[in-house]
Amino acid sequence: GQQVMQIPQYQHVQEGEDFTTYCNSSTTLSNIQWYKQRPGGHPVFLIQLVKSGEVKKQKRLTFQFGEAKKNSSLHITATQTTDVGTYFCAVYGGSQGNLIFGKGTKLSVKP
Amino acid sequence: DADVTQTPRNRITKTGKRIMLECSQTKGHDRMYWYRQDPGLGLRLIYYSFDVKDINKGEISDGYSVSRQAQAKFSLSLESAIPNQTALYFCATSRGGLGETQYFGPGTRLLVL
Repeated sequence: GQQVMQIPQYQHVQEGEDFTTYCNSSTTLSNIQWYKQRPGGHPVFLIQLVKSGEVKKQKRLTFQFGEAKKNSSLHITATQTTDVGTYFCAVYGGSQGNLIFGKGTKLSVKP
Repeated sequence: DADVTQTPRNRITKTGKRIMLECSQTKGHDRMYWYRQDPGLGLRLIYYSFDVKDINKGEISDGYSVSRQAQAKFSLSLESAIPNQTALYFCATSRGGLGETQYFGPGTRLLVL
């Protein structure tokens, strides 16, 4: 079945440093979604990428979809303490096209 | 999202007890999902329902059952709770079709002693 590998599992940064998390698939993806879960909270949708090579920005967050549509990244420029949380990528797969989540990257930011 | 609510928010139960977690949504979505979250394992799908008459097993359905009472309500039951079912449980909803965003409830934290 469809699987997506997400790395790293944890990332500790100093406030102001950049952060990147990566998702990789062995198969071509139709699209990829990114979610953020704040500590003690629930996953919240951030963005969806559909096109090969697509790049989307949300303030300090930059999302990329690889040219082969097998990988994606989320980059945060100049992290802030408000960026703390776990970031998940998710792809549609499985026999009925369910959303399959990566294991997530937990970001901690030291002030 | 306030549009997706879960009850209870926290629950402590004993091994062997039957418990029910409830989910309600006001988003008007046809599709509803139950996920389980464990540290380091991400979100794993337990059951999903594409409409009231359509219920399907997910990745980890053993030991769980569900009921879709109405479009807006989807309940998860643990028939005989065991300690390794201690986890954070999320309900989610979406419209139909591929590529749709999922909207999560606030979660239920379950501890099985």
